[in-house]
Amino acid sequence: AQSVSQHNHHVILSEAASLELGCNYSYGGTVNLFWYVQYPGQHLQLLLKYFSGDPLVKGIKGFEAEFIKSKFSFNLRKPSVQWSDTAEYFCAVPYSSASKIIFGSGTRLSIRP
Amino acid sequence: NAGVTQTPKFRVLKTGQSMTLLCAQDMNHEYMYWYRQDPGMGLRLIHYSVGEGTTAKGEVPDGYNVSRLKKQNFLLGLESAAPSQTSVYFCASIMTSGSETQYFGPGTRLLVL
Repeated sequence: AQSVSQHNHHVILSEAASLELGCNYSYGGTVNLFWYVQYPGQHLQLLLKYFSGDPLVKGIKGFEAEFIKSKFSFNLRKPSVQWSDTAEYFCAVPYSSASKIIFGSGTRLSIRP
Repeated sequence: NAGVTQTPKFRVLKTGQSMTLLCAQDMNHEYMYWYRQDPGMGLRLIHYSVGEGTTAKGEVPDGYNVSRLKKQNFLLGLESAAPSQTSVYFCASIMTSGSETQYFGPGTRLLVL
């Protein structure tokens, strides 16, 4: 069965620092991967997704993620964070049928102005 | 398009009371989902539906019932609320199974005393 884990529960950075949030998944055949973001008081929004092709995926707001099959990882990166990136970030992977998604436990990102 | 909407936004219940959460989408999506979000646990799937008149259990279905009488609406019911059901509930929808991602509603915050 598919599963996804996020080991960083809370990350605190200063503005302009570089960001990397870890995501590891368990192998389950064809791999599709997502990163969602939840800004304070808002619903989840898709940040980026990987289905096939180029393992380096670019998303909105300057975020990117790299799919590394040999490491079962899909880490999220941003070269220079802004205060507005304060949010909770979820890695997710589809499982079973009916487009169900299993989410990681989330990483809370706090940015110091 | 309003996208995915949820009613109510916030509710306080006493233990043993019942209530229904409404999710509506105007995108003609076939699949709809109900999740609960708890701190440190990400989102967990409660129930889902792959079409009008069909429902299925997700990861944490106990204590909840659902109905999909109309394609655009997906109702989540709590027959006898318990404090363990204090959570934020999110509805999501998707056109059909495949490579698309889920669209989320704004959430309903439920407090059970």
